[in-house]
Amino acid sequence: QVQLQQWGAGLLKPSETLSLTCAVYGGSFSGYYWSWIRQPPGKGLEWIGEINHSGSTNYNPSLKSRVTISVDTSKNQFSLKLSSVTAADTAVYYCARAIAAATAYYYYMDVWGKGTTVTVSS
Amino acid sequence: SSELTQDPAVSVALGQTVRITCQGDSLRSYYASWYQQKPGQAPVLVIYGKNNRPSGIPDRFSGSSSGNTASLTITGAQAEDEADYYCNSRDSSGNHRVVFGGGTKLTVL
Repeated sequence: QVQLQQWGAGLLKPSETLSLTCAVYGGSFSGYYWSWIRQPPGKGLEWIGEINHSGSTNYNPSLKSRVTISVDTSKNQFSLKLSSVTAADTAVYYCARAIAAATAYYYYMDVWGKGTTVTVSS
Repeated sequence: SSELTQDPAVSVALGQTVRITCQGDSLRSYYASWYQQKPGQAPVLVIYGKNNRPSGIPDRFSGSSSGNTASLTITGAQAEDEADYYCNSRDSSGNHRVVFGGGTKLTVL
């Protein structure tokens, strides 16, 4: 049973860089997209971006200038950095495993981390 | 703003059938996936692909699609089905973006 365990700083000041890591336990790291999603308080889910095992990334255009997602295959971990945070970045951040099949035209996230609450406040 | 559109709220009487819909251009190319989220918890995948349920998801959950609209149907809704439901797909414009619907709050009466 694949499990994702995530961690990182929960309280940041404006202009600082958010940094979260997600470790993958119990399954293969290759063949999937490893994703970050966030959810502001009382709002819906927002996709941040994803990376595959070879390091190829896709980002949400609205966040692309501030986001870096990286992978460490030796540790089965992937990480999120979001620079120059503001109060608008306050959210629960989730990591997730995504499966994409271009020829079959489906995309889904089947395993999720428990979420990390990140608050940006001066 | 979401490029997948969902009704903000839907209600259903206990034991009845409810359909939650999701509209968007990407759904003409991609199947939607559906997630259930209860307060304070991470989302849980309930439907993916044409109409597939992950292990452990009750068979009262089903999915369908027509044109630019995907639907999640709960046949015989239970009290424990009260939750937020989100649809999701890859953007079909070729930019590899992933989109979520705004979510539907399901109330079981």
